[in-house]
Amino acid sequence: GAGVSQSPRYKVTKRGQDVALRCDPISGHVSLYWYRQALGQGPEFLTYFNYEAQQDKSGLPNDRFSAERPEGSISTLTIQRTEQRDSAMYRCASSLVVGTGELFFGEGSRLTVL
Amino acid sequence: LAKTTQPISMDSYEGQEVNITCSHNNIATNDYITWYQQFPSQGPRFIIQGYKTKVTNEVASLFIPADRKSSTLSLPRVSLSDTAVYYCLVGETGFGNEKLTFGTGTRLTIIP
Repeated sequence: GAGVSQSPRYKVTKRGQDVALRCDPISGHVSLYWYRQALGQGPEFLTYFNYEAQQDKSGLPNDRFSAERPEGSISTLTIQRTEQRDSAMYRCASSLVVGTGELFFGEGSRLTVL
Repeated sequence: LAKTTQPISMDSYEGQEVNITCSHNNIATNDYITWYQQFPSQGPRFIIQGYKTKVTNEVASLFIPADRKSSTLSLPRVSLSDTAVYYCLVGETGFGNEKLTFGTGTRLTIIP
């Protein structure tokens, strides 16, 4: 596609429910990143993939968070047993090649946990 | 990863040149300096990247002194549409080190 596409754009869920956030990167982009951004703060790194391989997941807050990119394209970030503190904007980004530092971000998925 | 320090906020009038300085005293030999811009309700957007001296593109210029312990993003003749948060990132680019860390950024407000 023309840009990084994320869905849903808005998700409201009740505490304890599982949520899945989807990211469709720019076609042909090798690397895919997930960030979380709280209001008034900069994006916080969660994890990234090169092709289908998850290279770094050190930013995932705890084991309720997981991500996959099984075919090296679309990625899903899953949050199990959501808590109110998980409420944030979740941003996905992709880059054409590894190591350029030039990331293209999507519009984000805003998660609200009640 | 090198820690960066930049002003929390800045104001400027339309038509002025704006310079935002970022300190990164612990920058490593292999680190590049990258700046992003973020408008409200949008994702960050890459502006410019450099290693040393000066880099210029159609949007901005990046000045990096010889010791590389700081860098200055220069926006020429700003307009209201340049109101945004600007992030300075320092990190090694290259396979195996893709954890780009954003700080809190500098909130730039352009005044008519």
